[in-house]
This record gives sequence, structure tokens and C-alpha cells, in this order.
Amino acid sequence: EDQVTQSPEALRLQEGESSSLNCSYTVSGLRGLFWYRQDPGKGPEFLFTLYSAGEEKEKERLKATLTKKESFLHITAPKPEDSATYLCAVQAGGSRLTFGEGTQLTVNP
Amino acid sequence: KAGVTQTPRYLIKTRGQQVTLSCSPISGHRSVSWYQQTPGQGLQFLFEYFSETQRNKGNFPGRFSGRQFSNSRSEMNVSTLELGDSALYLCASSSTGGSQETQYFGPGTRLLVL
Repeated sequence: EDQVTQSPEALRLQEGESSSLNCSYTVSGLRGLFWYRQDPGKGPEFLFTLYSAGEEKEKERLKATLTKKESFLHITAPKPEDSATYLCAVQAGGSRLTFGEGTQLTVNP
Repeated sequence: KAGVTQTPRYLIKTRGQQVTLSCSPISGHRSVSWYQQTPGQGLQFLFEYFSETQRNKGNFPGRFSGRQFSNSRSEMNVSTLELGDSALYLCASSSTGGSQETQYFGPGTRLLVL
């Protein structure tokens, strides 16, 4: 059974204080690892897809990396508008996504 | 391009009733997946439809069902509602539902069962 564990559950940062979120996974035959951002009361918003170990992708202050066992979402110099829940999901085959519980990020001004 | 839309956005039902939720995918997308999100269980896969056929199913009881129409719009139905069915129901669409395709989520329908 596919499993995804995200840590920490919650993270408080000061504006400009860089940090990383972790996503550990156990899956048979990873086809893709997805990062989403979810704001309260809204649906998840797509951020990145990573397909193979060693791959990295960047978007503004966010950078996602992938190894054979985990993925990191690095946030550089975060701003208050980066506050959200960040979700990691894996896909082994077909369309089914298996999600982690998410990391709730709060960035204080 | 318009995103995924879901209606209604909010619903209040009582135990034992049934409910139908609707999802319109991004134009041109033929795969629609449904997920249930609760504080305790997170996001869990319900089922996926492609070309009007259920192609994949999660571990939910038979009270949860769905269908897809020829225009790719999808509905999910929950019969004999239980308190534990209170959740945010999300649908996601992708082009063909193939591996490695990005799924785009709608805003969700918030269901409260009293």
C-alpha cells in the first residue's frame, strides 16, 4: 500500500526565514510526485510534478527536489502570502493520487 | 481557460438523506477523479471516471457512487448519509487520467451532515 508522510505538521516562520518541508513516501513504482498548495476553504492548487530521483523544479520562492525515498519543498525568503497548507501526493499507476496529511505553513510579517 | 467547477459549494443534510454533487472538468479534459477531505483522514481517493466508465475505485462503501456524462461532466452520489460523511468533496480533472498527468482540482463542495 502506498504511504506518504509529511513533516512537520505545522511550521511557523518569520518573513524572510527560509526552511524546508519534508515528504517521505513508500510506493511501488513511483510514476510521479506532486506538490499542491491549499488555502483555507479552497481546492488544492498545483505547484510541481517530479518524476525521477535527482529532479528539481523551481517557481518563485519555492524549489522542489526528489530522492528515491523523499521529496523536499524548500521555501526561500517566504512572505506572508506563502501561508497555506502544502500537500504532497504520489502516483504509482493510473490516476489515483495518495496524499500526505500536509504541512500547515504560517509566515508572520 | 476556465477551471474545474463544482456545485453546490455548500450543503447541509440530515442523516439518512442522500446527496448529489456535480463537477464540470476543464474543457477538453476527459478524466474526472473524486476525493474526500476530512481533518482526520486527509485527502482520500473515491473513484475516477473516464469516457463515462468508472476506471478506478478507492476503499469506500457502496453508498458512494458516481457517473460521468458524454460531455465529461461528473456527478457523485452518497446515499443514506452518516455523520462521518461530513467533509470537503473535491473533484479533479486531467486530460486522460494517465500516469504522470497533472490533476487540477475544483474548489470543492462542503457537505455537513447533521
